[in-house]
Amino acid sequence: DAGITQSPRHKVTETGTPVTLRCHQTENHRYMYWYRQDPGHGLRLIHYSYGVKDTDKGEVSDGYSVSRSKTEDFLLTLESATSSQTSVYFCAITREQGLSEQYFGPGTRLTVT
Amino acid sequence: AQSVTQPDIHITVSEGASLELRCNYSYGATPYLFWYVQSPGQGLQLLLKYFSGDTLVQGIKGFEAEFKRSQSSFNLRKPSVHWSDAAEYFCAVKGYQKVTFGTGTKLQVIP
Repeated sequence: DAGITQSPRHKVTETGTPVTLRCHQTENHRYMYWYRQDPGHGLRLIHYSYGVKDTDKGEVSDGYSVSRSKTEDFLLTLESATSSQTSVYFCAITREQGLSEQYFGPGTRLTVT
Repeated sequence: AQSVTQPDIHITVSEGASLELRCNYSYGATPYLFWYVQSPGQGLQLLLKYFSGDTLVQGIKGFEAEFKRSQSSFNLRKPSVHWSDAAEYFCAVKGYQKVTFGTGTKLQVIP
């Protein structure tokens, strides 16, 4: 257990509304990641962070923004949710740079109607 | 760019039978490879990893995987499957700062 929590765990929202998902870790790890999981696509990287205020884009970053003002929190924002963003979102951390495996949170199921 | 291919979307095996899940990767340097398992409604859990050294790596729950550089493969195996192994399995390759996952193989275990 890497002390990762995600909130909310489930959310239903309407098209066009803003949504923010939160990932919280208790171990002060530097690297944090946001993925989305969709059937037939596996996990795809949205954004990642390598420190406070240091973030970079992943392969499916369009329509998403992130912020990291504290080591323990990594926020994912959908500025104007669309139905194509209905998905399960996972946060992950690595315990050290370089060779370490990732540890995942429990996920957030987001439905955009 | 790195990539991972898991050619089998679904696999069904009988309980007690052996299992092999296929994974092929593409990466320009020495790969760092992982297998994760995901039970329904859960996050991903690491089964095993390969960084260097012995090409046969042991993991949790009786799983093992063999790295074959010549075939760009990292197949997951288990000699005798248990009903509790029913889950989805993901192979992944790590590059600089990023991990790329395969699309997953869903394992069904029949009595």
